[in-house]
Amino acid sequence: EAGVAQSPRYKIIEKRQSVAFWCNPISGHATLYWYQQILGQGPKLLIQFQNNGVVDDSQLPKDRFSAERLKGVDSTLKIQPAKLEDSAVYLCASSLEYSGVIDTQYFGPGTRLTVL
Amino acid sequence: DAKTTQPNSMESNEEEPVHLPCNHSTISGTDYIHWYRQLPSQGPEYVIHGLTSNVNNRMASLAIAEDRKSSTLILHRATLRDAAVYYCMLRTGANNLFFGTGTRLTVIP
Repeated sequence: EAGVAQSPRYKIIEKRQSVAFWCNPISGHATLYWYQQILGQGPKLLIQFQNNGVVDDSQLPKDRFSAERLKGVDSTLKIQPAKLEDSAVYLCASSLEYSGVIDTQYFGPGTRLTVL
Repeated sequence: DAKTTQPNSMESNEEEPVHLPCNHSTISGTDYIHWYRQLPSQGPEYVIHGLTSNVNNRMASLAIAEDRKSSTLILHRATLRDAAVYYCMLRTGANNLFFGTGTRLTVIP
């Protein structure tokens, strides 16, 4: 079974530029998560989708971050414009069902973003 | 306010048991305790989860204190492949989850 795919793996941009990350979850997984992981910290949940609907985006800085999951499969996370403090690894995860507190999340390898 | 507290780092000799502690003194009755680990340049990997009772699976055991204010992840025989950052995570509801800062485990051959 293929795992969660993410691209690109690395991205370097100047501040105020835009950037987009792509995620392809495990086939059949209904729930998709985007996390931000700053160096030395644990992952921080940004947004959670159930199929193509947003379950929670309370931690997403909506003035510059946006995400979508068209057709309930692939997802894109965008930052526009980027700031220096956005430098981090952006992780995508998926889980089989919207079973709440006990579902196992499967993570992709992440995209390392550096903002200069 | 940090919801989980973990030591920054721990060391273990290869083939010895490892006990990784997590303090979650503000846990509520419906919070599940999850553990994930992250190898270098990879995304986190699920290890184990529990609510009140101790749990075992092929990877590890989870011991949960009676008052649930702390838990311990137990690796029964550490191998070099177990060297990773181990995260304790609390989850209340489907969309309320919090990862701690993690413990970096070094396994000494």
